[in-house]
Amino acid sequence: GEDVEQSLFLSVREGDSSVINCTYTDSSSTYLYWYKQEPGAGLQLLTYIFSNMDMKQDQRLTVLLNKKDKHLSLRIADTQTGDSAIYFCAEKRSGSARQLTFGSGTQLTVLP
Amino acid sequence: DTEVTQTPKHLVMGMTNKKSLKCEQHMGHRAMYWYKQKAKKPPELMFVYSYEKLSINESVPSRFSPECPNSSLLNLHLHALQPEDSALYLCASSQERGLQGLFNYGYTFGSGTRLTVV
Repeated sequence: GEDVEQSLFLSVREGDSSVINCTYTDSSSTYLYWYKQEPGAGLQLLTYIFSNMDMKQDQRLTVLLNKKDKHLSLRIADTQTGDSAIYFCAEKRSGSARQLTFGSGTQLTVLP
Repeated sequence: DTEVTQTPKHLVMGMTNKKSLKCEQHMGHRAMYWYKQKAKKPPELMFVYSYEKLSINESVPSRFSPECPNSSLLNLHLHALQPEDSALYLCASSQERGLQGLFNYGYTFGSGTRLTVV
């Protein structure tokens, strides 16, 4: 279902930072993920964050988690044309052993 | 080997045909999944296998029949499909081991099979 909400589109200039936002609904979610999907391809796991963390950084990627507001964001520094793709956030709820709930996806377009 | 391999990459089938999609992983993951994805939409869960047993069927029509012959293989048998079943079918696997689970690094997805029903 689409209980996890994302903006549908984001455009940025090459070299700028991109921030993709996600609002989830289940405050008991244990893990939250960011996936990237390029045209015609499957989903690639970019990064994840455990619910007891506020921030996680991995090279150009920074994930921020605000549990109070149930808000997750993905910041991509120095955005490149190869970053153009659809980005899905996903939550794994505590009562759901084997299911991810995906957001609607954000289409990131990087302009030269 | 850190991949999930799906075959074929593309499939065109008529509404009376029978075909199968295949998925393989050698990461030792004991949970495997089938997802259906329409263009510009998030993946929708169809089936979950855990330790080769079907654990979740998301009310999928019987014209889709999953099979897990062993811990590395997952099949999806297709019969009498409709044009609206045309989509990208994604297979995934994960290390989950139960409700509490071990530390979960997320699902590994294959690149999918693009299915067109004519």
